[in-house]
Amino acid sequence: GQQLNQSPQSMFIQEGEDVSMNCTSSSIFNTWLWYKQDPGEGPVLLIALYKAGELTSNGRLTAQFGITRKDSFLNISASIPSDVGIYFCAGLRGNQGGKLIFGQGTELSVKP
Amino acid sequence: EAQVTQNPRYLITVTGKKLTVTCSQNMNHEYMSWYRQDPGLGLRQIYYSMNVEVTDKGDVPEGYKVSRKEKRNFPLILESPSPNQTSLYFCASNRRPPSGTSHTDTQYFGPGTRLTVL
Repeated sequence: GQQLNQSPQSMFIQEGEDVSMNCTSSSIFNTWLWYKQDPGEGPVLLIALYKAGELTSNGRLTAQFGITRKDSFLNISASIPSDVGIYFCAGLRGNQGGKLIFGQGTELSVKP
Repeated sequence: EAQVTQNPRYLITVTGKKLTVTCSQNMNHEYMSWYRQDPGLGLRQIYYSMNVEVTDKGDVPEGYKVSRKEKRNFPLILESPSPNQTSLYFCASNRRPPSGTSHTDTQYFGPGTRLTVL
């Protein structure tokens, strides 16, 4: 099955640094979603993007839906230790409301 | 409290012994899904259901069955488990998007079931 290509796979940064990660696909998506997974828990939705070019913020997080509809990025500004976790992008095509496709995940480690 | 529950949370079994992982949500959501999570592969969708008695294959359905007889429950069935089905499994649910849009409402995930097949 198709997967999204998410990079980087892992990041080790210092507290206070900004973080950027992205997802690309060979196919067009109508919706892009970004999730965070804390250890031992299920993913939690951070940001949802519904239109090409859309830029949406949620606190220190900012995500954009690429113009081509084949990519998306997530930025985290001024990282803090509780940002540690695995971040996933996910895409949805057409009106397939139930069929999400996930990226491989970016594991973020933040050094105090 | 709005939640998705899964049982069991941990299971160790042997090859060929049928098992069922239950999933239940209390939010009256139409959509429910099962995913497996493996290192380096992210989450891969096994099956999803858009309503009672409506199910469809995800990306990795082989070796799994599901049923949706009631809106709140979506059990995952492994008729003859094999070691390559050792994984972390998540159930999720969300509301049906508004008509004419693909706006996906927040998808709520359960706490996960860690399955080991020996």
